[in-house]
Amino acid sequence: EVQLVESGGGLVKPGGSLRLSCAASGLDFSYSTLNWVRQAPGKGPEWVSSISSSSSYIYYTDSVKGRFTISRDNAKNSVYLQMNSLRAEDTAVYYCASRFCSGGSCYWHFDYWGQGTPVTVSS
Amino acid sequence: DIQLTQSPSSVSASVGDRVTITCRASQGFSSWLAWYQQKPGKAPKLLIYAASTLQSGVPSRFSGSGSGTDFTLTISSLQPEDFATYYCQQADSFPLTFGGGTKVEIK
Repeated sequence: EVQLVESGGGLVKPGGSLRLSCAASGLDFSYSTLNWVRQAPGKGPEWVSSISSSSSYIYYTDSVKGRFTISRDNAKNSVYLQMNSLRAEDTAVYYCASRFCSGGSCYWHFDYWGQGTPVTVSS
Repeated sequence: DIQLTQSPSSVSASVGDRVTITCRASQGFSSWLAWYQQKPGKAPKLLIYAASTLQSGVPSRFSGSGSGTDFTLTISSLQPEDFATYYCQQADSFPLTFGGGTKVEIK
């Protein structure tokens, strides 16, 4: 059974930092592209960042470029999101999700998701 | 960026009803569209990918269609467990984007 377990969320003041972690099990982690998707209260999901299996390809949504850094440690089956210069608009539940692959093809959709970790940016 | 607009934003329906949700894209693309179901307090669940392919384990009452700028999700006979919020998501180009959601409520 695939499990993605996020941690590291919490309450932080504007301008502060947090580091989110996502520990994976039951997944061929070293071959998987991992992603962070967030969801603000009452809103739809928003893709944040993606990292390929060997960290060769990394993508960010524009609103977090220069502030957030995605990374992974394949030896620890973990992916991270370092969030700096946090703003009120970063308040959301942050999900770790795997890129969906089927029949030898991969799609930029998300099949396995964690339970999410909440991040609140407020003074 | 590709904007996705879902309609309606909410729909009230009864068990057994046929429900259709539309997702309109701000620019056309092939079939790189997925549909998700989300229940309160839970992560989204992938239902359909490539616009019309049912994800493994998803009941056949769910179906998807469309290409270009107009896509639809249809639930042929609504079941009690289908009351949830549904989102479309495009995978044609970065940034990957989601629609605003359609809440399916009990009538």
